Amino acid sequence: NAGVTQTPKFRVLKTGQSMTLLCAQDMNHEYMYWYRQDPGMGLRLIHYSVGEGTTAKGEVPDGYNVSRLKKQNFLLGLESAAPSQTSVYFCASSSLKRGQETQYFGPGTRLLVL
Amino acid sequence: KQEVTQIPAALSVPEGENLVLNCSFTDSAIYNLQWFRQDPGKGLTSLLLIQSSQREQTSGRLNASLDKSSGRSTLYIAASQPGDSATYLCAPGGQFYFGTGTSLTVIP
Repeated sequence: NAGVTQTPKFRVLKTGQSMTLLCAQDMNHEYMYWYRQDPGMGLRLIHYSVGEGTTAKGEVPDGYNVSRLKKQNFLLGLESAAPSQTSVYFCASSSLKRGQETQYFGPGTRLLVL
Repeated sequence: KQEVTQIPAALSVPEGENLVLNCSFTDSAIYNLQWFRQDPGKGLTSLLLIQSSQREQTSGRLNASLDKSSGRSTLYIAASQPGDSATYLCAPGGQFYFGTGTSLTVIP
């Protein structure tokens, strides 16, 4: 069981470039989440998904898009990167089953936008 | 919007001491609360999940309590060890809002 994996681990972008962050989980979880973590701000939810083919906005969705074409994968896209998107991005997943909602996190992707 | 506060922001204690971390939140309409641990440069690891019907949950030296009506949760760590040094975050509701964490250092 790999749990939750994220690709890439680190990336440097120039302003205006695009990229996609990939999150994969092998626990058959229904829920998946993308967060960003910034100093002094804590974790903030960007987008989430409650199942294959569904996505919803979180607290800070602007500038990001997501897709969940397969249950095990959740993609986060930046169409035109901005320096304000420099952050550490975490993906997480959890079960729908009541009492088993523990979230499992990936190791994170460090993104630097110049 | 749920506002989550964790006090203190940083804590340094000698090894062996018992300690309490605090989490307060403004919206008590939650059905669970999670406590996480984050090591530097790493992702979050879930420590305890408390359902709204429970008042506390225990795992080894860790004990978490939940008082929904007052919007508070505490994480009690017994007999602290240097390996407990990390940042501890709470998440009322489990997934949408997190506190900024308490950075714990246990001095050998």
